[in-house]
Amino acid sequence: EAGVAQSPRYKIIEKRQSVAFWCNPISGHATLYWYQQILGQGPKLLIQFQNNGVVDDSQLPKDRFSAERLKGVDSTLKIQPAKLEDSAVYLCASSLIGGGKQFFGPGTRLTVL
Amino acid sequence: AQTVTQSQPEMSVQEAETVTLSCTYDTSESDYYLFWYKQPPSRQMILVIRQEAYKQQNATENRFSVNFQKAAKSFSLKISDSQLGDAAMYFCAYVNQAGTALIFGKGTTLSVSS
Repeated sequence: EAGVAQSPRYKIIEKRQSVAFWCNPISGHATLYWYQQILGQGPKLLIQFQNNGVVDDSQLPKDRFSAERLKGVDSTLKIQPAKLEDSAVYLCASSLIGGGKQFFGPGTRLTVL
Repeated sequence: AQTVTQSQPEMSVQEAETVTLSCTYDTSESDYYLFWYKQPPSRQMILVIRQEAYKQQNATENRFSVNFQKAAKSFSLKISDSQLGDAAMYFCAYVNQAGTALIFGKGTTLSVSS
């Protein structure tokens, strides 16, 4: 069974530039999560989707971050414009249902200079 | 709001020995799930073990077992016969019955020496 796929694995940008991350969840998983993991900390939820609807985006900085999950499968997370404090690993996870076991992708390490 | 606390930033163990990682959490809910995830330097978050709060029996997965104390809101992970490959960051996490996202602790870095 294929796992959660993410790309790119690494990205380096200048502050005020824009960047986008892509996630393909495990086939059949209805729930998709984006987490931000700052160095030395545990991951924190940015946004949770159930199929193509948003369940929770209360911690998403909506002035610069946006996310979508078209057709309830793949998802993209965008940052525009990026700030230095956005440097982190962005993890995508999926589960069959909310509350079920979450399976994580390899993450994207973002460095903002 | 739910919180998860891991009070040991770093732990070390020798190969073949046993180590216990601590975790406490705070919630007003009665039904929930608790997890331990392992994150090696590759950053891939790997599920180690899962515990349903309604089950009194402690979960076990090969060399990994938990001590779940619901009244004390404690959820520790015991690794027996430690191996070099166990070296990683370990995160304790909570999710409620309604299926909101995982709430993670700050993690414990485990080093294993030969």
